[in-house]
Amino acid sequence: DARVTQTPRDKVTEMGQEVTMRCQPILGHNTVFWYRQTMMQGLELLAYFRNRAPLDDSGMPKDRFSAEMPDATLATLKIQPSEPRDSAVYFCASGLGGTSTEAFFGQGTRLTVV
Amino acid sequence: EDQVTQSPEALRLQEGESSSLNCSYTVSGLRGLFWYRQDPGKGPEFLFTLYSAGEEKEKERLKATLTKKESFLHITAPKPEDSATYLCAVNQAGTALIFGKGTTLSVSS
Repeated sequence: DARVTQTPRDKVTEMGQEVTMRCQPILGHNTVFWYRQTMMQGLELLAYFRNRAPLDDSGMPKDRFSAEMPDATLATLKIQPSEPRDSAVYFCASGLGGTSTEAFFGQGTRLTVV
Repeated sequence: EDQVTQSPEALRLQEGESSSLNCSYTVSGLRGLFWYRQDPGKGPEFLFTLYSAGEEKEKERLKATLTKKESFLHITAPKPEDSATYLCAVNQAGTALIFGKGTTLSVSS
């Protein structure tokens, strides 16, 4: 059963702490996306990679967010330092063949910064 | 300005009462329009991709259609298990999916 796996599912942290979210894309998929979902803004693109290279990270606050793909089976999203306004559900998705094909989403990481 | 607008924001139906959800878009050079279903606490689940005006796709009680400015998701004789948030997304060349804010559908028996 091929699926995108995200860890942790839930994270509560104090303001100022570093947060790392991990994603294992579907094996063989060459495109990985990070989205953030809030009630007010809906799903917003943070960054995406193709063949492990970052193609667009214009949606990320550069001073505190970073996204990487150390290898084809792992994508990470880090927030340092975290702030209460970062509280949201963060989704990773993967796809095959670039941005014109469907993306398959993980179950998300619910982040709460207090 | 929003590039993808979904309406209505919320829709309540009785079981068996057919209806349609709307997704209007303003992007140029559309490469694809995507429909997803999202259940509470879960990630969006892919339903359909439409690539050109006039195209239609069906899955069980759902049928998606596409024109040059909008897409409709028709729900025929819905059941309570169809209750979810339905998300529409579009992409242009070289961009990732741009999502609307969704329509939350509630079907009561």
